[in-house]
Amino acid sequence: QLQLQESGPGLVKSSETLSLTCTVSGGPISSSTFHWGWIRQPPGKGLEWIGNIYYDGKTYYSQSLKSRVTISLDTSKKHFSLRLNSVTAADTAVYYCARLSTVQGHYYYYGMDVWGRGTTVTVSS
Amino acid sequence: EVVLTQSPGTLSLSPGESATLSCRASQTISNSYLAWYQQKRGQSPRLLMYGASSRANGIPDRFSGSGSGTDFTLTISRLEPEDFAVYYCQYYGETFGQGTRVEIK
Repeated sequence: QLQLQESGPGLVKSSETLSLTCTVSGGPISSSTFHWGWIRQPPGKGLEWIGNIYYDGKTYYSQSLKSRVTISLDTSKKHFSLRLNSVTAADTAVYYCARLSTVQGHYYYYGMDVWGRGTTVTVSS
Repeated sequence: EVVLTQSPGTLSLSPGESATLSCRASQTISNSYLAWYQQKRGQSPRLLMYGASSRANGIPDRFSGSGSGTDFTLTISRLEPEDFAVYYCQYYGETFGQGTRVEIK
């Protein structure tokens, strides 16, 4: 059974870079029907999509975060990563990684069907 | 960019009652890309529905989804105690609605 595990610093200083990794275990990371995403949830608030990376390496980011976000995929290490630059207190959140399943060709989506447990990141001044 | 608006913000119901949750898109979208998730307090979200009306693995049949164009609905018939949670819709694996909380009346 596929599992995802987020890892990275729980505390980041304001103006610095947040870096998280999501390790994939129990299943493949390379498939034309599996893609990988990052989602966050500020305390007491709803889910906010950050970005996705598709199996071919193409990335798509939230318009509101696009200028500060980079998502990358390392299939040899079976993980994908998130970098968020110039963080502020507004970036304090639980960060989740998830698998997005689609049919080949992306004309039908099966949703984000596997999620990590989430990791809390606090931005301190 | 598609914006999803969920209503109501909170639904107060008793176990055994039915819940109807709405997700409205800012423009016409394809059913193929509309998903629903359930999130219980302190837990990760769980996929409920995809393709607007298909249940994900292990989801009981009291959950159903419908809709097309800009208006989509998640219905939970005969609420069980474990169904009280927050529900989100999502489009294209990207944008989420702001969520609907289903709470015990």
